[in-house]
Amino acid sequence: EIVLTQSPGTLSLSPGERATLSCRASQSVSSSYLAWYQQKPGQAPRLLIYGASSRATGIPDRFSGSGSGTDFTLTISRLEPEDFAVYYCQQYGSSPGLTFGGGTKVEIK
Amino acid sequence: QVQLQESGPGLVKPSQTLSLTCTVSGGSISSGSYYWSWIRQPAGKGLEWIGRIYTSGSTNYNPSLKSRVTISVDTSKNQFSLKLSSVTAADTAVYYCARLRFAVVTYFDYWGQGTLVTVSS
Repeated sequence: EIVLTQSPGTLSLSPGERATLSCRASQSVSSSYLAWYQQKPGQAPRLLIYGASSRATGIPDRFSGSGSGTDFTLTISRLEPEDFAVYYCQQYGSSPGLTFGGGTKVEIK
Repeated sequence: QVQLQESGPGLVKPSQTLSLTCTVSGGSISSGSYYWSWIRQPAGKGLEWIGRIYTSGSTNYNPSLKSRVTISVDTSKNQFSLKLSSVTAADTAVYYCARLRFAVVTYFDYWGQGTLVTVSS
């Protein structure tokens, strides 16, 4: 099973600052199968990035994804008030098929 | 616009079987390159993938839950279902159904709102 480790666990930043979130895989992941989600309290996760670097429909361009192999990054260039949330990476691969990272909470400093 | 809606009991007794159904609207469950999945999230914790089904009936499950999980599909009703047997308090969570698009890239593009299932006597 591929384990995804997200760091840091919590990121304390102010609006307007840059956020850099890391997702490290225990073995190589195809970039095609790496996605990022945003989750706010009481809501289902929302797709942000797929294919490691492609923004989903309607996602602002302040969100960007990068990386390959075992190291992937989600960057929020300038935090808006609505961006404070929990972010998860997720990979899809061969059996058993799919895992999520433990999440990074971006909180207001 | 595709929508998914979970339904089922919110309270299940320990050792019993948890049963949930996801109803898909706004599109046919049989069309396109999609797996239909269940994911859960205990309060204050992260997301755990439970398993997925294709409309052919082909399934894959999380190895940690495989012995207790059954996912099935009813294309005539545009629904898929989850059964989790021998539940304990550790199975208390919000359960989500979601559509997993698979092609050149793979991702969950639509999610249900989630339903809280509490395991308690």
